[in-house]
Amino acid sequence: EDQVTQSPEALRLQEGESSSLNCSYTVSGLRGLFWYRQDPGKGPEFLFTLYSAGEEKEKERLKATLTKKESFLHITAPKPEDSATYLCAVQVEGSYIPTFGRGTSLIVHP
Amino acid sequence: GAGVSQSPRYKVAKRGQDVALRCDPISGHVSLFWYQQALGQGPEFLTYFQNEAQLDKSGLPSDRFFAERPEGSVSTLKIQRTQQEDSAVYLCASSFSVRGPEEKLFFGSGTQLSVL
Repeated sequence: EDQVTQSPEALRLQEGESSSLNCSYTVSGLRGLFWYRQDPGKGPEFLFTLYSAGEEKEKERLKATLTKKESFLHITAPKPEDSATYLCAVQVEGSYIPTFGRGTSLIVHP
Repeated sequence: GAGVSQSPRYKVAKRGQDVALRCDPISGHVSLFWYQQALGQGPEFLTYFQNEAQLDKSGLPSDRFFAERPEGSVSTLKIQRTQQEDSAVYLCASSFSVRGPEEKLFFGSGTQLSVL
């Protein structure tokens, strides 16, 4: 069965303290891996799509990387406004449906 | 519209009551998804439409759940005889085409359903 596991479940950082979130997956035939950000009371908002091992994408303080078994979302010098839940999703070959992990709740203290 | 719109924003239902949740996707978006999100969990897939065709309904938890998109735009998720375990946020998402993962999903803010 295809699975997506995110760790840690929750992370508290001080402003400026860099860290990484992990998304490990066990799927047969990865077509794409997505990162979304979700603020309280809102729907997820798209951040990145990664397609193949070795690929990296950046946006402001965020950088997403992909290996054959996992993806990392690196947050460099975070600010309080980066506080949110970060969701990882995978889509397998032959499917239209992204499958989401449980997310990592990030709190950045000023 | 500017984004995916869902209504109502909040719905309180008595156990056994029927409810209908509406989703207005972004104009021209071919694909439409419904997800269920319990508190502290990630979104769980319910059903997928391509235009008016419901191509996948494997995530619907029981035959009390029914979704439609009759004209390929607005979609309605109906839950009959609601149970307490149906309490969750119901998210709708749309994307422009079906070409694959490069077509990112745009989510609405969801409908929070509470069954008492």
